[in-house]
Amino acid sequence: AQSVTQLGSHVSVSEGALVLLRCNYSSSVPPYLFWYVQYPNQGLQLLLKYTSAATLVKGINGFEAEFKKSETSFHLTKPSAHMSDAAEYFCAVSGARGNNRLAFGKGNQVVVIP
Amino acid sequence: DTGVSQNPRHKITKRGQNVTFRCDPISEHNRLYWYRQTLGQGPEFLTYFQNEAQLEKSRLLSDRFSAERPKGSFSTLEIQRTEQGDSAMYLCASSSKDLPYEQYFGPGTRLTVT
Repeated sequence: AQSVTQLGSHVSVSEGALVLLRCNYSSSVPPYLFWYVQYPNQGLQLLLKYTSAATLVKGINGFEAEFKKSETSFHLTKPSAHMSDAAEYFCAVSGARGNNRLAFGKGNQVVVIP
Repeated sequence: DTGVSQNPRHKITKRGQNVTFRCDPISEHNRLYWYRQTLGQGPEFLTYFQNEAQLEKSRLLSDRFSAERPKGSFSTLEIQRTEQGDSAMYLCASSSKDLPYEQYFGPGTRLTVT
């Protein structure tokens, strides 16, 4: 079974400041890890993914995440927040084999302060 | 590639009525997933199809829920005798044979049961 933990449901960040969203995972098999973004009343858009290649992965909109097996973490960062980054962000895990169903965290609502 | 589409986008129904949602995946994607998202939570897996075969169902999918994918293309999710607890966003996702772990989500159907 797989699960992820995202702490802090709401995250406030000043425009231009670092965005850091934490994700810790639990998986009984080698994991695939994902970050998705959701804008109001829309579906989920894939930001980036880790699929056992490079541990530092770059995604869209300037986001990146680093897979750290020793810490069971896959934290999401962006050096400089933009107003358009205001959205909800979900970390998700799936097994590397099988049906690849996703197990999501509860999400982080990011508010960008001008 | 027009993306995953879902219809209707919004559905308001009275308790006890039946509702049916439709999902059209990205063409040639052989895997199709249904998830349910309630307010303030991440999406939860409901069921999964590979081509026309329904290969896994979550325990969340009670007997009142049924899903089909008759020709391995579009899928329908039916809820019979709706309850207020069924109010949620129902999300559909699809993935390809080559990249089965990379799921693309539709905009969702928001169900409100009054």
